[in-house]
Amino acid sequence: KAGVTQTPRYLIKTRGQQVTLSCSPISGHRSVSWYQQTPGQGLQFLFEYFSETQRNKGNFPGRFSGRQFSNSRSEMNVSTLELGDSALYLCASSLRGGGLGTHHEQFFGPGTRLTVL
Amino acid sequence: QKEVEQNSGPLSVPEGAIASLNCTYSDRGSQSFFWYRQYSGKSPELIMFIYSNGDKEDGRFTAQLNKASQYVSLLIRDSQPSDSATYLCAVNFGGSTLGRLYFGRGTQLTVWP
Repeated sequence: KAGVTQTPRYLIKTRGQQVTLSCSPISGHRSVSWYQQTPGQGLQFLFEYFSETQRNKGNFPGRFSGRQFSNSRSEMNVSTLELGDSALYLCASSLRGGGLGTHHEQFFGPGTRLTVL
Repeated sequence: QKEVEQNSGPLSVPEGAIASLNCTYSDRGSQSFFWYRQYSGKSPELIMFIYSNGDKEDGRFTAQLNKASQYVSLLIRDSQPSDSATYLCAVNFGGSTLGRLYFGRGTQLTVWP
């Protein structure tokens, strides 16, 4: 079974630009969560999508948004990029709602390394 | 406030020793507990999960959960240099935050030959 895929793997942008990152979950997984990882703040939760609906949202400004498509693929968008947005962006997929015995393990993709200049 | 705390380390052990990694969390109603391993420059990899009190063993790894003390640990037996990585503890607090994992800051482990 293929793992979680993320594109692109690396991205360099300048301040003020916007960026869209893509995530394809493990086949059969319907939940996609997004995290930002930086050396200073560690892993921080951005949001989670399940059945095309945002179910949870972390404490990030409205510049960070996302969506999920009917095939469970997800995208996140960051508008008006700031230097502090430089980070590794990770998505994780999970069965969620898989019934009894599902403990909502999340499996991470390789990440997108975003550098804002 | 939902929080996950890990002993920050770094932790350094000789090859063949037992490495012990610890984690505490803030909410007694927490559902599931996870240990991820992250090599430098890579994404986190799930290595263990546990949801019932007691021990869970998988090869050289043992996860221990004590819900009364709000404490979860990971033991790595016969540590190898390839175990050198950052270990992240994560908690699913359930309820309205079901799809969200809360992470500790991680413990950096070095296993020297």
